Amino acid sequence: GENVEQHPSTLSVQEGDSAVIKCTYSDSASNYFPWYKQELGKRPQLIIDIRSNVGEKKDQRIAVTLNKTAKHFSLHITETQPEDSAVYFCAASSTIGAGSYQLTFGKGTKLSVIP
Amino acid sequence: EAQVTQNPRYLITVTGKKLTVTCSQNMNHEYMSWYRQDPGLGLRQIYYSMNVEVTDKGDVPEGYKVSRKEKRNFPLILESPSPNQTSLYFCASSLSGTLENTQYFGPGTRLTVL
Repeated sequence: GENVEQHPSTLSVQEGDSAVIKCTYSDSASNYFPWYKQELGKRPQLIIDIRSNVGEKKDQRIAVTLNKTAKHFSLHITETQPEDSAVYFCAASSTIGAGSYQLTFGKGTKLSVIP
Repeated sequence: EAQVTQNPRYLITVTGKKLTVTCSQNMNHEYMSWYRQDPGLGLRQIYYSMNVEVTDKGDVPEGYKVSRKEKRNFPLILESPSPNQTSLYFCASSLSGTLENTQYFGPGTRLTVL
C-alpha cells in the first residue's frame, strides 16, 4: 500500500518568514495530493490540493508543488502569520479495491509562527 | 448548513462495554470513512464505505465494525473496547467514492477506554 513520509515533524518560524513542509510517497500511481490544516482542538480542513497533471498550484499565500518523478510534494506558506500556527497533514490517494480510493496521511507537521 | 456530525463528542467507558459512535452527513455524499488520530501517528483509516451497503477495511480495522444502511449515516461500533482504542476519532465524507475529491471531516470524538 501507499506510504507517506512527512518532514519536519515540528517547525518554528518568525512571523513574516516562509515555511516549507515536504512529503514523499511510495505509490507511483497516486494522483491526488491534498493538504489539511488542523488547529488545536479542531477538525482537519482542506487548504489546498493538487492533481498529478499539475506541477504547481497557488492560493494566495499558500502553494503546493509536485514532482511525480521524484515522488515528492511540498507545501509552501509565505508571509506567515500567527494564525498559520497549526498541525499540517499531507496525504496521497491510491486506488484500491473495486475502483475506490484511499487517502494515506503523513504523520503531520506542527507549525509554530512566532510573533 | 452542509456538515458532518458525530456523537458523542467525548466518551469515557470501560473495557468490554460495547459502544457506538454515530456519524451523519447532509451533503448526499457517497463516500464515508472513519479515521483515528493518535499522537505522532497522524490519521489512520479504520473503515470506509463507497456507498450504501458497501464497506471495506482500511489500515487499522481490528476491533471495529461499521455499517452503511443509509447514505447519510455511517456508525462506528466497538463491540468490546480495549484501552488501546483510546484515541481521537474522525468521520469524513466526500462526494464520490471513485474519484478523489475533498474529504470533509466531522468534529471528532475523543474516546477514553479505562
